Amino acid sequence: SAVISQKPSRDICQRGTSLTIQCQVDSQVTMMFWYRQQPGQSLTLIATANQGSEATYESGFVIDKFPISRPNLTFSTLTVSNLSPEDSSIYLCSVGLSGSSYEQYFGPGTRLTVT
Amino acid sequence: QKEVEQNSGPLSVPEGAIASLNCTYSDRGSQSFFWYRQYSGKSPELIMFIYSNGDKEDGRFTAQLNKASQYVSLLIRDSQPSDSATYLCAVDGGSQGNLIFGKGTKLSVKP
Repeated sequence: SAVISQKPSRDICQRGTSLTIQCQVDSQVTMMFWYRQQPGQSLTLIATANQGSEATYESGFVIDKFPISRPNLTFSTLTVSNLSPEDSSIYLCSVGLSGSSYEQYFGPGTRLTVT
Repeated sequence: QKEVEQNSGPLSVPEGAIASLNCTYSDRGSQSFFWYRQYSGKSPELIMFIYSNGDKEDGRFTAQLNKASQYVSLLIRDSQPSDSATYLCAVDGGSQGNLIFGKGTKLSVKP
């Protein structure tokens, strides 16, 4: 597996502001993903972060609201823009290891509360 | 729309018993199947994966796959209170390498 860290671990933000979440991996990985987990719910994929190109977004998620960067094979950021209380959730990054098709390992998550 | 279905539970078993967790999936073309354990307030942890029909055992955990029935299960033998968590079933989502998750089954193991 890989050691994955996320910053911040939690934050409280005001409506209308933005939060950028960082995901750092201790080794180079091919695939990085961003998920949202709303209270009491399962995981919903937001997008696949592609190194050197634009992220691939799932239905219902758009780049203007969730811009993603992936400058190299160990780091990615997710920004949640123009925050509303409905964005209160846990945001998780995960990585897929090369040669281990579809196995994903998750970071510790970022708990966002929007007031 | 690919779907993964799980009974949300809670599933309650006594300590030492076998816990059986079930999952069905909609896409007959799915090839990779995963079980994650998620403790309250923590992120999901991969505990088992299975790619071929049949059983795969790892310690107290056994994953079972029946592609004809589109059915995956996880058996936990000698259940311990520390096994109390939500168990998420996940299935490969296709070419992007992403996973489709079920809503999870909450397991409670009573001492």
